[in-house]
Amino acid sequence: KAGVTQTPRYLIKTRGQQVTLSCSPISGHRSVSWYQQTPGQGLQFLFEYFSETQRNKGNFPGRFSGRQFSNSRSEMNVSTLELGDSALYLCASSLQGAGNTIYFGEGSWLTVV
Amino acid sequence: GNSVTQMEGPVTLSEEAFLTINCTYTATGYPSLFWYVQYPGEGLQLLLKATKADDKGSNKGFEATYRKETTSFHLEKGSVQVSDSAVYFCALSRANQAGTALIFGKGTTLSVSS
Repeated sequence: KAGVTQTPRYLIKTRGQQVTLSCSPISGHRSVSWYQQTPGQGLQFLFEYFSETQRNKGNFPGRFSGRQFSNSRSEMNVSTLELGDSALYLCASSLQGAGNTIYFGEGSWLTVV
Repeated sequence: GNSVTQMEGPVTLSEEAFLTINCTYTATGYPSLFWYVQYPGEGLQLLLKATKADDKGSNKGFEATYRKETTSFHLEKGSVQVSDSAVYFCALSRANQAGTALIFGKGTTLSVSS
């Protein structure tokens, strides 16, 4: 069974631009969540979607947004990029429920210059 | 609020040494607890988990026991290998809600030499 797939794997953007990252969850998983990983802040929860609805949200500015489609695929968007947005963005999927295992993709490496 | 505290690294060991990485948590309710491992340039892989007090998670020789009385979930392995070199993250899932958000510790880098 295929794992969580994220595209693109690597990208470079300029300050002020916007970026869209894509995630395909494991088949049958309807919960998709996003995390940001940086050396300074570690792993931080961005948001979670379930059945096309945002169910949880972390403490990030409104420049960070996401959505989920009817096939459970998800995208996240960052507008007006800042240098500090350079990070590894990880997508994860799971079955519904707090105790279920959350499976991660390999991430999208974003560099803002 | 909910939080996870891990011992700071890096941890440097010789092959076949005993490993302990300490993890303590603060949470309301009854969280599920996880250890994830990240190899260089890769995403996170689940190593083991425990969903209730006194549960022991185990995988690939690693073990961790959910200790509610000490709010701990320490990771142990009896004999580490060079291939275990990676960053290890302790995490909890927020309790009493249907969502699946994870709260992570800062990670502990393990380096094993032959």
